[in-house]
Amino acid sequence: EAEVAQSPRYKITEKSQAVAFWCDPISGHATLYWYRQILGQGPELLVQFQDESVVDDSQLPKDRFSAERLKGVDSTLKIQPAELGDSAMYLCASSSRDEYNEQFFGPGTRLTVL
Amino acid sequence: AQSVTQPDIHITVSEGASLELRCNYSYGATPYLFWYVQSPGQGLQLLLKYFSGDTLVQGIKGFEAEFKRSQSSFNLRKPSVHWSDAAEYFCAVGANYGQNFVFGPGTRLSVLP
Repeated sequence: EAEVAQSPRYKITEKSQAVAFWCDPISGHATLYWYRQILGQGPELLVQFQDESVVDDSQLPKDRFSAERLKGVDSTLKIQPAELGDSAMYLCASSSRDEYNEQFFGPGTRLTVL
Repeated sequence: AQSVTQPDIHITVSEGASLELRCNYSYGATPYLFWYVQSPGQGLQLLLKYFSGDTLVQGIKGFEAEFKRSQSSFNLRKPSVHWSDAAEYFCAVGANYGQNFVFGPGTRLSVLP
């Protein structure tokens, strides 16, 4: 069964350092999403890609966060510099044009900023 | 803009008892509705979804949910809970393809032996 892949699964970093997360969506899925989930809360959308184009990044803190999906396949989310408040689970999801917006989630990257 | 509320932050039930998790949504058109489950430290797994048609939908692991337009609700039910059902449950509402989801805050389910 096809799955969304994410790496690393866990990341510990010190504040002011740079971190990067990688996501490989299910093959053929045109839409890719990055979510941030703070402990005890629901996921919140950071950025949404349609192929290689950003369609929604209204909630992305652009002073420190960046995301790219250069070839419309895998994607990288970067934080520079990391802050204590960035500690969270970062989830990647993808969806297909053939499905009614059903999103398939990866296992997530747990980030801890010290 | 769509929104989702899950009134119960934490629910505890005994193994074998029935379960109902509440979800209320706000959306101007016919919504696409979803229930996801998340085990600690894991990603989200889809339990079931509603797009149209029969308002009672069946999902995996013995779960079902009923869409009630008049009440703007999409409650999740299970007739007999198993210890392995202990997890966080999220209701989500989406619009057309390509539009983002909005997740509820989640309900944490604990199961007593």
